Amino acid sequence: LAKTTQPISMDSYEGQEVNITCSHNNIATNDYITWYQQFPSQGPRFIIQGYKTKVTNEVASLFIPADRKSSTLSLPRVSLSDTAVYYCLVGDIRNFNKFYFGSGTKLNVKP
Amino acid sequence: DAGITQSPRYKITETGRQVTLMCHQTWSHSYMFWYRQDLGHGLRLIYYSAAADITDKGEVPDGYVVSRSKTENFPLTLESATRSQTSVYFCASNILAGRAEAFFGQGTRLTVV
Repeated sequence: LAKTTQPISMDSYEGQEVNITCSHNNIATNDYITWYQQFPSQGPRFIIQGYKTKVTNEVASLFIPADRKSSTLSLPRVSLSDTAVYYCLVGDIRNFNKFYFGSGTKLNVKP
Repeated sequence: DAGITQSPRYKITETGRQVTLMCHQTWSHSYMFWYRQDLGHGLRLIYYSAAADITDKGEVPDGYVVSRSKTENFPLTLESATRSQTSVYFCASNILAGRAEAFFGQGTRLTVV
């Protein structure tokens, strides 16, 4: 199991770009990096997944350096509704039961 | 409605009672999971199921029982509830089509008094 380390919390203001970094030094060759978002009183929701370099979708971008020992979730121009907990998970996509949800990063977006 | 639904949303039970949390998904996903989330913490896997009649333990299985007689249902039973099992329980399903994308239910908040 690749252990991940994320900041406990981050503050931002509306309209800013937010970058949340996750460290996963012992990532394995078959492991993918996946990010989830969780709003209060809701279940987590998949945001983005990547293996290397850069992945972008309509919600976020994921940057993964060549050594894959870390990754950065980038949220462009956040709004108050982006206030949530963001989880970085690392694992083999064939075994979701092996994915570990740590404590995540609590993002507070202020007006 | 399509999706994954949990029932009940809220439950209060007494110590020692048996309680069952229900989970139903309409996608026919092979994999289903039960997690618990304690205040201020991430999710911990209790049990998972790869298909009907196939279940396996996760990180924190003690005190819980699961079954999966049909693909769409994955009930979680607390055989004799304890106060330490007060938590929010999430059910999830996953098709494993090349993405680590699991779909979560809205959660069941269980209080054991």
